[in-house]
This record gives sequence, structure tokens and C-alpha cells, in this order.
Amino acid sequence: EVQLVESGGGLVQPGGSLRLSCAASGFTFSNYWLTWVRQAPGKGLEWVANIKQRGSEKNYVDSVKGRFTISRDGAKSSVYLQMNSLRVDDTAVYYCAREGREAAGFDYWGQGTLVTVSS
Amino acid sequence: QSVLTQPPSASGTPGQRVTVSCSGSSSNIGSNYVYWYRQLPGTAPNLLIYKNDQRPSGVPDRFSGSKSGTSASLAISGLRSEDEADYYCAAWDGSLSNWVFGGGTKLTVL
Repeated sequence: EVQLVESGGGLVQPGGSLRLSCAASGFTFSNYWLTWVRQAPGKGLEWVANIKQRGSEKNYVDSVKGRFTISRDGAKSSVYLQMNSLRVDDTAVYYCAREGREAAGFDYWGQGTLVTVSS
Repeated sequence: QSVLTQPPSASGTPGQRVTVSCSGSSSNIGSNYVYWYRQLPGTAPNLLIYKNDQRPSGVPDRFSGSKSGTSASLAISGLRSEDEADYYCAAWDGSLSNWVFGGGTKLTVL
């Protein structure tokens, strides 16, 4: 069974940092792109970043470029999102999702972890 | 302001057919596949349609997707109360090198 389990969310002050983790299981981790998607309270979905199978390619939404870094560890079957210089508008539930092979979309999602940026 | 445009709300009565539209541009819908996700209240999204009109296993054939030019649609036939959810379209945008989502459509079953 495919599972994605996020952790690392919490309350942080503006300007602070947080590292989110997503532990994957039930599939061959190295074969898939992984993505982070966020959802601010009461708002829609916003794609944040993704990373290629072995980490050779990464993409980011403009609003997080230079502040967030996505990475992955094959040995731990985990993907991470290092978030620096956090702003109030980064407050959201952050979901980890698997990008299915052959353009199959975000076929599995984690349950999400809440990040609150507030003083 | 989302890159893909969806109506904020839609509604129908049980048994009816409803459609949700999604409008984009040549750099996203016009040149790439469209995906649809459903999000039930308080839960993570789940994949409903991929590659414009393909259903993942387990998704009933009441759900169908289509694409024409820079627009796409999700149709739900035989509407049920459990279809009440938020529906999002998505596509890869080649100009932005980003995935982009629509703003979401809240479907109400009257």
C-alpha cells in the first residue's frame, strides 16, 4: 500500500525556518517525482515545488524561490521541504504527493501537515 | 488569482448531470494534459481524472473529463449527495515550469 506521511509542521515566527519531511512507503521511491502542494486556510490548492527521481531537477513556484529548498533521500525514502524566511502568507497545510509515472498526475497524497507563521 | 480559471461554485440535484469548467492558456491547458482532483471537507485531495479524460481505477464512470483548445471540463452524471466537495483542475505550465491549479469549484448537491 502506497503511503506518504508528512511531519514537521508547527508554529513559527515570521522570518523563521522549518523543515518538513515526507516519509514514503509501498512503492519504489527512486522511480517517482515527488511534489509539495499547500493550501492556505479556506483557500485553494497551490503547487509549491517538485523534485525529479534522483534529485537532478527541481522546480519551484515563484513565491518561494530563494526561500524554500526541496530535497530527497533515497536511503530513507523521504522528501523534504526546507522553508526559510517564512512569511505570514506561507501559513497553510502542506501536502506531499507522488507524481504518477507516464503523466498519471498526483496519484497519491499524504494527509498534510499544518504550518502556521505568526508572531 | 489562479492561472487556471474555474467557477467558484456549482450545484445540482440528485441524479442530475453537472459540469465544471476550467480555462487556461496555450502554455498550460493548450499544450499539456489536464488533471482533476476532488477534495472532500477536511481531507487531502484525490485524483479524479488524468491525461484529460482518463479515470484512475476505482473512480466511477459517472465522472468524465474533456479538453478542447485551452479549456477543459469535468462532468459528473447521476449526481449523489456524496459528490459534495471541492473540485480542482490542474495542468503543467511550460512557460512557468510549474504545475498550476484552478481556484477550485465548490459543488453543492441540493
